[in-house]
Amino acid sequence: DTGVSQNPRHKITKRGQNVTFRCDPISEHNRLYWYRQTLGQGPEFLTYFQNEAQLEKSRLLSDRFSAERPKGSFSTLEIQRTEQGDSAMYLCASSWTGTNSGNTIYFGEGSWLTVV
Amino acid sequence: AQSVTQPDIHITVSEGASLELRCNYSYGATPYLFWYVQSPGQGLQLLLKYFSGDTLVQGIKGFEAEFKRSQSSFNLRKPSVHWSDAAEYFCAVGAGNFGNEKLTFGTGTRLTIIP
Repeated sequence: DTGVSQNPRHKITKRGQNVTFRCDPISEHNRLYWYRQTLGQGPEFLTYFQNEAQLEKSRLLSDRFSAERPKGSFSTLEIQRTEQGDSAMYLCASSWTGTNSGNTIYFGEGSWLTVV
Repeated sequence: AQSVTQPDIHITVSEGASLELRCNYSYGATPYLFWYVQSPGQGLQLLLKYFSGDTLVQGIKGFEAEFKRSQSSFNLRKPSVHWSDAAEYFCAVGAGNFGNEKLTFGTGTRLTIIP
C-alpha cells in the first residue's frame, strides 16, 4: 500500500491555460475527495466521489473546474482557463466505508499550482 | 453550516514543555472531530479523531484531545513536545453519514519549538 498518490506535485502555468491533476487513491478505497488549500488557510472541501459517482460538489467548484472518477479508481481534476486566484495546493484524499474502516481519510501530499 | 475556530495562529513552546492547541467548533448535531498535522509542503496526517464514546481521545505521537460539548471545544494536548512536533496543526469537523464526507477545517495553528 503506497498511500494516496498525486501527480504532478508541482505545476506552473500561464493564466488562461488548462491544467489537469491526477489522484490515485489507496487501493480498494471507494471514496475519493478533493480539497483546495491556499497559503495560510486550512483545506477547503471541493468534491467527493463514491466509486464513480460524484456525490457532492462545493460552490467553490466553479464551472471552470471539473472532476471525474471514470472507473471508480483514479480521479482527475481539471481546471480550465486558469486564473491567478486558482493558485493553491490541491489535495486528494481517500477512504473506505466498509466495516472496521475507522472512518479515516488518508490525504496525499498535494499538487501545487502556480498561475502566472 | 459547520465551522471551526482555531484562535491561536502561532504558538511557540520550548522543547520538553507541555502543549495545548485550542479548537472550537460549531455544528448542529453530534460532531465528528479531527486533528491533522501538516509539515511544510506536505499533505495532512491524522493525529486523532472523535466520533463518540470516551471524550478523551488518544492519538499518535503522544497526542491526546478532549471533547467538551458544553464548551464546543476539542483541544489538542501533549505533555512534552519534541523538536519534530514543529508543524501546522488543523482541527476539523466532519459532516455526513460517516462523519467524514465533508470536512470543515480551521485556519490552523503553526507550532514552533525552541531548544
